[in-house]
Amino acid sequence: GAGVSQTPSNKVTEKGKYVELRCDPISGHTALYWYRQSLGQGPEFLIYFQGTGAADDSGLPNDRFFAVRPEGSVSTLKIQRTERGDSAVYLCASSTGYGSTEAFFGQGTRLTVV
Amino acid sequence: QKEVEQNSGPLSVPEGAIASLNCTYSDRGSQSFFWYRQYSGKSPELIMFIYSNGDKEDGRFTAQLNKASQYVSLLIRDSQPSDSATYLCAVKTSGTYKYIFGTGTRLKVLA
Repeated sequence: GAGVSQTPSNKVTEKGKYVELRCDPISGHTALYWYRQSLGQGPEFLIYFQGTGAADDSGLPNDRFFAVRPEGSVSTLKIQRTERGDSAVYLCASSTGYGSTEAFFGQGTRLTVV
Repeated sequence: QKEVEQNSGPLSVPEGAIASLNCTYSDRGSQSFFWYRQYSGKSPELIMFIYSNGDKEDGRFTAQLNKASQYVSLLIRDSQPSDSATYLCAVKTSGTYKYIFGTGTRLKVLA
């Protein structure tokens, strides 16, 4: 596609529920990133994929968070047993993945846990 | 010490003035430096990137990098009210593909 697409744009869920957030990167981009941004903060790194594999998942806060990218394109961020502290904007970005290239962001998914 | 530090602002400048935004980073192995603009409620949008020491100009924007002092700055000439946004500095370290962001500086250009 022309840009990074994220769905849904907004998600409200109850504490304890499971949620999935989807990211469709720019066509041809092999690198895909998930970030989380809280109000007044910069994006916080969660996980990076190169192709289908998670090359760096050091930013995932705990084992309730998991992400997949089975075919090397679309990625899903999965959050189990959501907590109110998980409320944030979840941003996905993609890049060509080679060298020091720039990353392009999607519009984000605003997750609210009530 | 945070890996990437920015003054949160707000930085207020009059229309037509030069806005100067600064960023320092802690990892001397950092190789690539990026400036993103983020309007309220929107996602970050890339403005410029710089890899080498010195200045890089693109229209009204100039990025400056000093690796010895570990800082990178963004100058916005002829500031416009539409430049009012949060400016995020991001750093990428050699050997990783991770972009580390600062907290951003909020810029207000006063008409």
